[in-house]
Amino acid sequence: QLQLQESGPGLVKPSETLSLTCTVSGGSISSSSYYWGWIRQPPGKGLEWIGSIYYSGSTYYNPSLKSRVTISVDTSKNQFSLKLSSVTAADTAVYYCARHPMQWLVPGYFDLWGRGTLVTVSS
Amino acid sequence: DIQMTQSPSSLSASVGDRVTITCRASQGISNYLAWYQQKPGKVPKLLIYAASTLQSGVPSRFSGSGSGTDFTLTISSLQPEDVATYYCQKYNSAPFTFGPGTKVDIK
Repeated sequence: QLQLQESGPGLVKPSETLSLTCTVSGGSISSSSYYWGWIRQPPGKGLEWIGSIYYSGSTYYNPSLKSRVTISVDTSKNQFSLKLSSVTAADTAVYYCARHPMQWLVPGYFDLWGRGTLVTVSS
Repeated sequence: DIQMTQSPSSLSASVGDRVTITCRASQGISNYLAWYQQKPGKVPKLLIYAASTLQSGVPSRFSGSGSGTDFTLTISSLQPEDVATYYCQKYNSAPFTFGPGTKVDIK
């Protein structure tokens, strides 16, 4: 059974870079059928898509975050990663990684999610 | 970018009631629409994709319909375990925007 697990610091200082990794187990991140994405949810608020990546390195980013986001993939470790720079308190959220089945060669809905990890931005 | 709205933002209904949630896209998205259920403190769960296709394992009391700009999620007979926030999401093209959510609880 394929599983996703987020990891990384739970506390980041303002103006620094948030870094998270999602480890895929029970299956290969190099599957041609899926993109892999990041979604976040501030406490008590809704879901916001951050960005997604294919095993080849092809990416899609949310325009609202694009200037601060980098998503990368390491197929040898079966992992993909998120970096969000210049964070503020507004970036405090639960960060989820998730799998997107491809729909006509582009990412689709999210069918499998990690458990999520809370990242707090505070000095 | 296409904006997603949902109505109502919250509702309270009795066990056994039929519940309908509406999701609207600001431009047409064909049937590239998914619905998720997020129970309190839990991870979002995919219920429906392609506007009306039930994800494997999801109870048949959930159904989806619509195309273009207007979509609905229906719970035919509300159960206590359906207390959750429901989100729609478009995926015709990036950005893969979620709706603001509809919170459902039991009256």
